[in-house]
Amino acid sequence: LAKTTQPISMDSYEGQEVNITCSHNNIATNDYITWYQQFPSQGPRFIIQGYKTKVTNEVASLFIPADRKSSTLSLPRVSLSDTAVYYCLVVPPGGYQKVTFGTGTKLQVIP
Amino acid sequence: DVKVTQSSRYLVKRTGEKVFLECVQDMDHENMFWYRQDPGLGLRLIYFSYDVKMKEKGDIPEGYSVSREKKERFSLILESASTNQTSMYLCASSLLEGAEDGYTFGSGTRLTVV
Repeated sequence: LAKTTQPISMDSYEGQEVNITCSHNNIATNDYITWYQQFPSQGPRFIIQGYKTKVTNEVASLFIPADRKSSTLSLPRVSLSDTAVYYCLVVPPGGYQKVTFGTGTKLQVIP
Repeated sequence: DVKVTQSSRYLVKRTGEKVFLECVQDMDHENMFWYRQDPGLGLRLIYFSYDVKMKEKGDIPEGYSVSREKKERFSLILESASTNQTSMYLCASSLLEGAEDGYTFGSGTRLTVV
């Protein structure tokens, strides 16, 4: 299974765009890239998933370059409520059985 | 709103006790999972189940067992609780094997073993 590497923490001011990059050098051909958000004392919440190029939903955008060895989660105009831990996962299409969440990136939004 | 419900938010148990953590989902999902989360270690998979009465070991199954008698319910059992099992326990479910919809997590059970 592909191992992911992401920054341990990031700070951002309110209203700024935040980009969190994840590297996954040994991603397999059919693996998906998925991001989760976790607030304190809650379980992680699915944000976005992609395979290649760009995916956008009402919460975030996900940019995946052609070689797929990294991906970037983009949060537009963050607010204090976006303070959370963000996890990057590489998911094989056969299931989630052995997916590793890692320690994630702790994003602190500053007023 | 679809939900994964964990029966307790906080539990305090004594060393050696048998502990049951219950998880129920109302989404008719085939797959269910138990994770534990510890500071600095992220989420680690304990057990998962892809069908009733089916179970597979995750990365850290030692000291735990599971039960899935009905599709909607997945129980984690600590046969003889120990202090190193003090942790946040998270239950999750997913619909598809490829899980394009992702996991849905419960709010967690914070277990303290004294």
